[in-house]
Amino acid sequence: DSGVTQTPKHLITATGQRVTLRCSPRSGDLSVYWYQQSLDQGLQFLIQYYNGEERAKGNILERFSAQQFPDLHSELNLSSLELGDSALYFCASGRSSYEQYFGPGTRLTVT
Amino acid sequence: DQQVKQNSPSLSVQEGRISILNCDYTNSMFDYFLWYKKYPAEGPTFLISISSIKDKNEDGRFTVFLNKSAKHLSLHIVPSQPGDSAVYFCAASTNAGGTSYGKLTFGQGTILTVHP
Repeated sequence: DSGVTQTPKHLITATGQRVTLRCSPRSGDLSVYWYQQSLDQGLQFLIQYYNGEERAKGNILERFSAQQFPDLHSELNLSSLELGDSALYFCASGRSSYEQYFGPGTRLTVT
Repeated sequence: DQQVKQNSPSLSVQEGRISILNCDYTNSMFDYFLWYKKYPAEGPTFLISISSIKDKNEDGRFTVFLNKSAKHLSLHIVPSQPGDSAVYFCAASTNAGGTSYGKLTFGQGTILTVHP
């Protein structure tokens, strides 16, 4: 158990809908990272937040957004969902740039 | 642009023998490298890491070797155990410029199967 929790574990929704994925980092970790793992793309970095502020951005679509709240939990919002958004979404947290501990992931299926 | 590559999608090894997983990278700004292990339906688990100022790091049965001139790293598992069967991801990070602080770039993964 990494200490990082993600909810929900599974999510099935229709195209065009909007969903919110939630992540609670390990106690004391200020950084939260979001990654997407799809079949053909592997693990891709989406976005990083550090103590409530956006720190780095990867190949995150404009339809996707994230935020980190004062209690350090983070949410990833995915809107206007397309079939290609079906993937595993992982959250990771860490205290330094070189330590990242991953949650169990949220499996999103868009039908 | 695949900056971190694991060219072997799978590797099969007998229990007790050595497993060698390989990883190549193209970005010379990477200064830290990590290996993660992933079981189905779980998130990646950190295994071992190495800074670019070293060429070897050892932790129990796991050793990571870094060859900067060849832009190549490898993970050795000795002796291999059936419980090591999982997907192994190589990842790299750079602190350069500040804008990619903490971002990990992952390889595609190698499925390791250790047979009893």
